[in-house]
Amino acid sequence: DIQMTQSPPSLSASVGDRVTITCRASLSISRYLNWYQQKPGKAPKLLIYAASSLQSGVPSRFSGSGSGTDFTLTISSLQPEDFATYYCQQSYSVLVTFGGGTKVEIK
Amino acid sequence: EVQLLESGGGLVQPGGSLRLSCAASGFTFSSHAMSWVRQAPGKGLEWVSGISSSGGSTYYADSVKGRFTISRDNSKNTLYVQMNSLRAEDTAVYYCARIQGMGEPYWGQGTTVTVSS
Repeated sequence: DIQMTQSPPSLSASVGDRVTITCRASLSISRYLNWYQQKPGKAPKLLIYAASSLQSGVPSRFSGSGSGTDFTLTISSLQPEDFATYYCQQSYSVLVTFGGGTKVEIK
Repeated sequence: EVQLLESGGGLVQPGGSLRLSCAASGFTFSSHAMSWVRQAPGKGLEWVSGISSSGGSTYYADSVKGRFTISRDNSKNTLYVQMNSLRAEDTAVYYCARIQGMGEPYWGQGTTVTVSS
C-alpha cells in the first residue's frame, strides 16, 4: 500500500497567516493527489484535486502544488472559516490511502 | 449534478450484519470505480473497500477483509457493502465516494453505523 505522511499533525495560526501543510507519498503518485477540508460532523469538502486544480467555488487563497512524492497545500491568508482539519488522499492506487490529517487551530 | 446518497446505517449488535447502499446520479455510474470510506468517532479517514467500474475486481482494507463484501448494480446505479461479523471498532460514519483516478472526486454525506450491545 502507498503510505501518505502528512505534516504537521496540528498547527496553531492566526487570522491572516500563511499556512503550509505537506503530504509525502511512500512512492511516486504523479499528480494523483487530492486535498480536503473537514469540519466536525460534516463530510470532507474537496479543495484541490489532481495536485493543483482548485475545486469550483473554493476560495483562491487555497492552492496546491507538487508531483511525484511531495505535495503542499497552502492557505495564503488564513480566514476564521478555515479552522478545520485537512486531509490529503492519493488516488493513484486502487488501494486509496489518506494522510493522517492536520488540525488547524486558532492561536 | 453528481449525487451520492448513502442509506442503511443504524445500530447493530456485535457480531451482527448490516448492508449499506449508495444511490448514484448525475454521472455514468458504470464508467467509474467506487469506494467506501469510513471515519470512526474522533479519528481520521480510512478507506474500507473499492470496486472496479464493471464490478469484476474488488479490494479491501486488511481491517475488514473477510467480513465486508462490496458490490454494485450498474443497472440500478447503486453501490453496496455487506458488513458481517461487525465489531465495536467498525462504529463509524461510512461514506460512499468516487475517489480513484485523476478526475474530480465526489463524496456522499455519509451514514452512521453504531456497533454496540
